Amino acid sequence: SQTIHQWPATLVQPVGSPLSLECTVEGTSNPNLYWYRQAAGRGLQLLFYSVGIGQISSEVPQNLSASRPQDRQFILSSKKLLLSDSGFYLCAWSETSYEQYFGPGTRLTVT
Amino acid sequence: GQQLNQSPQSMFIQEGEDVSMNCTSSSIFNTWLWYKQEPGEGPVLLIALYKAGELTSNGRLTAQFGITRKDSFLNISASIPSDVGIYFCAGRAPNAGGTSYGKLTFGQGTILTVHP
Repeated sequence: SQTIHQWPATLVQPVGSPLSLECTVEGTSNPNLYWYRQAAGRGLQLLFYSVGIGQISSEVPQNLSASRPQDRQFILSSKKLLLSDSGFYLCAWSETSYEQYFGPGTRLTVT
Repeated sequence: GQQLNQSPQSMFIQEGEDVSMNCTSSSIFNTWLWYKQEPGEGPVLLIALYKAGELTSNGRLTAQFGITRKDSFLNISASIPSDVGIYFCAGRAPNAGGTSYGKLTFGQGTILTVHP
């Protein structure tokens, strides 16, 4: 069966510091991968998606970037965090263009 | 882009009551998904719908894909305290090309509170 992991689970970072969040999927090959941000427990905003290694599409201009160095690894990064980057970051995968399955999330607080 | 209107925004009900929520869109979707999210966790897929008019159940949950393809409904029967959480609808539009492949549009969620 497929599983999805995210780490860290929680993170507190100062403004201006770098960021790296990691997501890995097990039990599937060549999944579509997604990064979402959720603010205040409501509404999921799609940040990036990837249909293959090295293929990243950005949905909104922002202070973040994403990379997919391996088939089942998806990384969300920032060179300098802003206060507005705080939120709950969710990674998701899908095998087709239909059902997406979410990871446990990372709670990021920028201070 | 597409937008989904999910209602109600919140519900406060007594244990044992039935619950209904819905999502509507100004454009058509060819897939509807319903998720539940508990505090501090990622959303969990409850039901997936693929055909207009489709009615699918998962235990006490029943969801329907609207005939117009612009709406979907989720019903929970005989609610229990563990039903609390945020329920999200999500829709996938007909593939408009490579840039829309696999993308979902999410509603803003319905917060469900169940009083024992």
